[in-house]
Amino acid sequence: AAGVIQSPRHLIKEKRETATLKCYPIPRHDTVYWYQQGPGQDPQFLISFYEKMQSDKGSIPDRFSAQQFSDYHSELNMSSLELGDSALYFCASSLTGSEQYFGPGTRLTVT
Amino acid sequence: KQEVTQIPAALSVPEGENLVLNCSFTDSAIYNLQWFRQDPGKGLTSLLLIQSSQREQTSGRLNASLDKSSGRSTLYIAASQPGDSATYLCAVQHGSSNTGKLIFGQGTTLQVKP
Repeated sequence: AAGVIQSPRHLIKEKRETATLKCYPIPRHDTVYWYQQGPGQDPQFLISFYEKMQSDKGSIPDRFSAQQFSDYHSELNMSSLELGDSALYFCASSLTGSEQYFGPGTRLTVT
Repeated sequence: KQEVTQIPAALSVPEGENLVLNCSFTDSAIYNLQWFRQDPGKGLTSLLLIQSSQREQTSGRLNASLDKSSGRSTLYIAASQPGDSATYLCAVQHGSSNTGKLIFGQGTTLQVKP
């Protein structure tokens, strides 16, 4: 069965650079979520989209933005990167009311 | 504000033992509860989803129960195996919205010794 695809899997950036993370949800899923998991932490919700419209927002820094495109893939854009942004970034998708399926994550390292 | 707590934080058991992982949440107004498994540095694998109207769900050697009124869920693992070693996370989807975020507990790290 198709799963959530995230790219890239690993990303190394320097402070103050910009990063773009991509997510391809499971076909026919209508909701996409982004989570951030710092070292030794539980995943924290960033933002979600339902049918390409932003549906909920968590503790997402103003330096971060996200959107969902007409083909349902989503991108998380991160600017002015800081050392504290180093984390695993997960994308998840779901069909309304059902369980969320997570992608393998993108490991971002900011040096 | 919804808070999710998992006890214990870590657990080490011999192979073959049955075990229970606990999850509690402060606000009973949840839409559903999901249990995940996470291997070190890896993604989250969904194990079981319990809707707010359900009492339990079973998948193979796993059984999850939900007592919404008391704000508790348990994950029961039967006949544990070394391959079960991982971190187990519970997460609640809060409120009436079915497009809501998941709020996670800190997880229980399980080690099953051969």
